[in-house]
Amino acid sequence: KAGVTQTPRYLIKTRGQQVTLSCSPISGHRSVSWYQQTPGQGLQFLFEYFSETQRNKGNFPGRFSGRQFSNSRSEMNVSTLELGDSALYLCASSPRTRNTGELFFGEGSRLTVL
Amino acid sequence: AQKITQTQPGMFVQEKEAVTLDCTYDTSDQSYGLFWYKQPSSGEMIFLIYQGSYDEQNATEGRYSLNFQKARKSANLVISASQLGDSAMYFCASPGNTPLVFGKGTRLSVIA
Repeated sequence: KAGVTQTPRYLIKTRGQQVTLSCSPISGHRSVSWYQQTPGQGLQFLFEYFSETQRNKGNFPGRFSGRQFSNSRSEMNVSTLELGDSALYLCASSPRTRNTGELFFGEGSRLTVL
Repeated sequence: AQKITQTQPGMFVQEKEAVTLDCTYDTSDQSYGLFWYKQPSSGEMIFLIYQGSYDEQNATEGRYSLNFQKARKSANLVISASQLGDSAMYFCASPGNTPLVFGKGTRLSVIA
């Protein structure tokens, strides 16, 4: 069974640009959540989607947005990039309909903003 | 849990020795779970072990065991017979207002 796939794995952008990250969950998993990981702030929750609906959202500015498609694949977008957006963005999928904490993570997308 | 605390930013352990990574949590829930994840330099979060609050016995998974002390709200990870491949970041986590609330992590370095 294929794991959670995130693309791209690495990318470099400049301030002011926008970026789209993609996440394909494990087949059959309908819940997808996103986390931002930085050395200073650790792992911070961005959002969670279930059956194409945003179920939960973290405390991030509106520049951060996401969506989920009917096949459960998810994308997140960051507009008007800032230096502080440099981070590892982790996607996780879950087979559960309610929050049990059982998450399966991808390898992440490492974003560098110059 | 609403808050997870890992007080050890970094730990060193000799190969083949055992090591304990600390985790305390704060929750008002009666039923909850504690997770430990390993994150190697590749970035992927790898699930190690889970403990439910109503589990009567401490969880074990191979060389990993969880020292769960409910009254003290601690869920320490014990790695026995450390290997060089155990060098990584280790995170304690629990469901909260978000799918998982994570601690700041502990960087474990195994020395040959």
